[in-house]
Amino acid sequence: GAGVSQSPRYKVAKRGQDVALRCDPISGHVSLFWYQQALGQGPEFLTYFQNEAQLDKSGLPSDRFFAERPEGSVSTLKIQRTQQEDSAVYLCASSLLGQNYEQYFGPGTRLTVT
Amino acid sequence: KNEVEQSPQNLTAQEGEFITINCSYSVGISALHWLQQHPGGGIVSLFMLSSGKKKHGRLIATINIQEKHSSLHITASHPRDSAVYICAVRGGSNYKLTFGKGTLLTVNP
Repeated sequence: GAGVSQSPRYKVAKRGQDVALRCDPISGHVSLFWYQQALGQGPEFLTYFQNEAQLDKSGLPSDRFFAERPEGSVSTLKIQRTQQEDSAVYLCASSLLGQNYEQYFGPGTRLTVT
Repeated sequence: KNEVEQSPQNLTAQEGEFITINCSYSVGISALHWLQQHPGGGIVSLFMLSSGKKKHGRLIATINIQEKHSSLHITASHPRDSAVYICAVRGGSNYKLTFGKGTLLTVNP
């Protein structure tokens, strides 16, 4: 399809495990965003990429969270030593470059840490 | 206090009713988004607006920059409109979106 895709859609991890969440943005979209959405809450910004450059990672909640986009296309959000409070839906969005462009969201990855 | 406040948090309506969801924000913005999220599904952008009013089908979005307020209206509501509606704002020249908590709309047949 032509939309933003994310995998896996669901992930169950035991506390302390590392997880990797993948985002495939729309082809040609320069900007890529990661958001965290806790149950019953609105999404919250985690990090922003422009091509392969991570221009803003101010929303990452701890140094256990790491994101990369090495070739300026696919991005991976990695969470090390997962904790229960990491349980949330992780959303990826992409857009053309520039603040006037809409962000297109993926279906999200629901992470449950047991 | 959240920068983006939505009301109501929950809304139940009968099919055919006119729906209004409100969004107030406390910061200067360059654009405001209305988004729709179905249970278990991703987020779909409905509108992006910085002034005035936009209409798409049965959906209408308005914004009053001076009052820092926006409304999303749904005319002739239908059960398939049942979803969470989220307001998000982008401040100044910032690319970041700040989201409200969402309004859960349930339209009964």
